[in-house]
Amino acid sequence: GQQVMQIPQYQHVQEGEDFTTYCNSSTTLSNIQWYKQRPGGHPVFLIQLVKSGEVKKQKRLTFQFGEAKKNSSLHITATQTTDVGTYFCAGRGGGSNYKLTFGKGTLLTVNP
Amino acid sequence: NAGVTQTPKFQVLKTGQSMTLQCAQDMNHEYMSWYRQDPGMGLRLIHYSVGAGITDQGEVPNGYNVSRSTTEDFPLRLLSAAPSQTSVYFCASSYTLEGTDTQYFGPGTRLTVL
Repeated sequence: GQQVMQIPQYQHVQEGEDFTTYCNSSTTLSNIQWYKQRPGGHPVFLIQLVKSGEVKKQKRLTFQFGEAKKNSSLHITATQTTDVGTYFCAGRGGGSNYKLTFGKGTLLTVNP
Repeated sequence: NAGVTQTPKFQVLKTGQSMTLQCAQDMNHEYMSWYRQDPGMGLRLIHYSVGAGITDQGEVPNGYNVSRSTTEDFPLRLLSAAPSQTSVYFCASSYTLEGTDTQYFGPGTRLTVL
């Protein structure tokens, strides 16, 4: 079945440093979504990428979808303490496969 | 709108007991899903529904049942609880509009099976 790998599992940075998490799928995806989960909270939708090679920005966050639609990345510029949490990617398969497969997430901690 | 609500927030069961985790949404979303979250394992899909009366299995369905009699409700039943089912359970709903299918998650139910 479809598998989504996400690395790294953990990342600790000093405030102001950049952060990147990477996501790779075993199959071609129809779209990829990114979620953020604060400690003790529930996942919250950040963005969805659909097109091959797509790049989207949200303030300090940059999301990319690979040309082959099998990989994606989330880059945060100049991290802040409010960025702390676990970032998940989730890939949706092609065709009529509704299932959304989540990566295991990257836990980001930021030292002020 | 309350969004996605889940009850209870916390639950402790003994091995072999059964219970139902409740999930409701007031956004008229077609799609609803149940996930479990375990440390280091991410979110794993248990069951999902694409509309009232239609359900299907996800990645880890064993030991769980679901039904979808209305658009709003999607309860998850644990038939005979086992310690391996200790986890945080999230319900999510979504709809597709112009190619976007955002998942809205409930606050979660933290379940401990002794």
